[in-house]
Amino acid sequence: SQKIEQNSEALNIQEGKTATLTCNYTNYSPAYLQWYRQDPGRGPVFLLLIRENEKEKRKERLKVTFDTTLKQSLFHITASQPADSATYLCALGSGGGKLIFGQGTELSVKP
Amino acid sequence: DTGVSQNPRHKITKRGQNVTFRCDPISEHNRLYWYRQTLGQGPEFLTYFQNEAQLEKSRLLSDRFSAERPKGSFSTLEIQRTEQGDSAMYLCASSVQGAGGNTGELFFGEGSRLTVL
Repeated sequence: SQKIEQNSEALNIQEGKTATLTCNYTNYSPAYLQWYRQDPGRGPVFLLLIRENEKEKRKERLKVTFDTTLKQSLFHITASQPADSATYLCALGSGGGKLIFGQGTELSVKP
Repeated sequence: DTGVSQNPRHKITKRGQNVTFRCDPISEHNRLYWYRQTLGQGPEFLTYFQNEAQLEKSRLLSDRFSAERPKGSFSTLEIQRTEQGDSAMYLCASSVQGAGGNTGELFFGEGSRLTVL
């Protein structure tokens, strides 16, 4: 069955450092991958989308890579800030409509 | 506020009761999704609609769950004979399907939290 795995442990980093989150998947050939941010008690908010034929996408301090051979995406936040503390979700789609989400990684940025 | 709206935000019910949640998507969005999320987990797909047509329903979804989108606008999710295992956050999201297929972002509501006693 399709499986998506993100960093199982919470990630704690110091302000100003780069946070790197991983998303691995098996038994799936996604056409695209998305990253969302979720704050406690709130709905997820879209951050970035990367397609299967793209290697890298950037948006301000965010960078996403997508390796369909390794079946992995990396999500980087550079110059991290305490306001970046949240849970980050990766989601895979095949163009049919629904997204399948990973379990999320909790990021904590300490001042 | 023109975002996705969900009601009620919180619902506490006793086991065996029926509950209904409502979702009002962003007005020009033709796709509407329901997800369920429990603590420490990512959103789990339940079902989605394109306009008024229900295009897919999770195989894991019990027959006690039913969703409708009668006029292609708002949607309701009903859970009959609730069980304690139904306690979760129920998230609604909407999106626009383009001519090239749907790779667009999902816009989520703030969710409806269900507690079954």
